[in-house]
Amino acid sequence: SQTIHQWPATLVQPVGSPLSLECTVEGTSNPNLYWYRQAAGRGLQLLFYSVGIGQISSEVPQNLSASRPQDRQFILSSKKLLLSDSGFYLCACIQLAGGYNEQFFGPGTRLTVL
Amino acid sequence: DQQVKQNSPSLSVQEGRISILNCDYTNSMFDYFLWYKKYPAEGPTFLISISSIKDKNEDGRFTVFLNKSAKHLSLHIVPSQPGDSAVYFCAASVGGAQKLVFGQGTRLTINP
Repeated sequence: SQTIHQWPATLVQPVGSPLSLECTVEGTSNPNLYWYRQAAGRGLQLLFYSVGIGQISSEVPQNLSASRPQDRQFILSSKKLLLSDSGFYLCACIQLAGGYNEQFFGPGTRLTVL
Repeated sequence: DQQVKQNSPSLSVQEGRISILNCDYTNSMFDYFLWYKKYPAEGPTFLISISSIKDKNEDGRFTVFLNKSAKHLSLHIVPSQPGDSAVYFCAASVGGAQKLVFGQGTRLTINP
């Protein structure tokens, strides 16, 4: 079964500083990978998804970017953080094996921008 | 445009009783629906799903009902237990689970 690792678990950053959040997946190959954000009191918003190395789709215009340098590695970045970037960031994956597949989520990273 | 809506931000139920969480959707193309459970500071965990060819799916204490004509699904938990206290998200997708659209979540509290 898949295991998703995310780090760091928590992060406090000043406004204007850069960001790099990492997600790695074990136990699967060629997964679809996803970045979500849960802002305070809100649902899960899909930010980016990737169907393969170097393939990134952005769901909403924002201050963030994503990259997939390896099959099981997904990185979320920003050059300059905004206060509105605070939230709980979740990485998820599915391995397509025909039919319907549910997404599995990592433990998340709590980002606070001050 | 919120395609998946959970209109109740919170729900409080007595232990042993039935918990009913509701979800409405607007996109008639959705054909697969899921429920996730989330504890604070953790990632959501998959609970139960249903495809649009069914109107009911059951797994132990959890049952999901789908009413396609009303574009409504619900999650029933019976009997409710204290460990069920969490935030529950419904999600929907078109043509498989490659991209999920989530609702805002409902915080369920089970009172002893």
